[in-house]
Amino acid sequence: DAGVIQSPRHEVTEMGQEVTLRCKPISGHDYLFWYRQTMMRGLELLIYFNNNVPIDDSGMPEDRFSAKMPNASFSTLKIQPSEPRDSAVYFCASSHRGLRETQYFGPGTRLLVL
Amino acid sequence: GQQLNQSPQSMFIQEGEDVSMNCTSSSIFNTWLWYKQDPGEGPVLLIALYKAGELTSNGRLTAQFGITRKDSFLNISASIPSDVGIYFCAGLPVNDYKLSFGAGTTVTVRA
Repeated sequence: DAGVIQSPRHEVTEMGQEVTLRCKPISGHDYLFWYRQTMMRGLELLIYFNNNVPIDDSGMPEDRFSAKMPNASFSTLKIQPSEPRDSAVYFCASSHRGLRETQYFGPGTRLLVL
Repeated sequence: GQQLNQSPQSMFIQEGEDVSMNCTSSSIFNTWLWYKQDPGEGPVLLIALYKAGELTSNGRLTAQFGITRKDSFLNISASIPSDVGIYFCAGLPVNDYKLSFGAGTTVTVRA
């Protein structure tokens, strides 16, 4: 299996611009997670989906962040408008049939907002 | 999720030495996971533990799920240069679904 695929790997944008991060989970995995990693706060869960349905978005920082999962093989995390404090590494992870199943992480998208 | 206490924060070791790190929590966990993150990459799962007292090995790596269910440790035997990276513990508390992560242990190996 190819593992979790994320794109782009790197993104540099200006404050106020819209940013869209993409994720393809491992085939057959029912759960998809979006995390943000910063030096100050470590890894934080933003939102997770089960069978394409958002279950808990309590970790989403504010209304500027939104996530969708239109089908089992694709999810997006959008930031609009972006701000410099959104600069971080954003990871997508997926797991198979259960919240207590092991999560497999993608390579991450390194976002820099100028 | 709650923050786990992971120690040490960083370590410099000589190639061939054994490495030990641990994670503790104030509450009981059902699952402990150990990940390694290389520069510019995402965390990669090394070992998963699901039972108190469980001891699991993966090559030169050995991890244990503490009897109290509030701690776990990871050992790396006979370290080699490719062991360089950041090691994270993660756990699932009882009655929660969010993985809690440690702050990471940065390992640097001197040849």
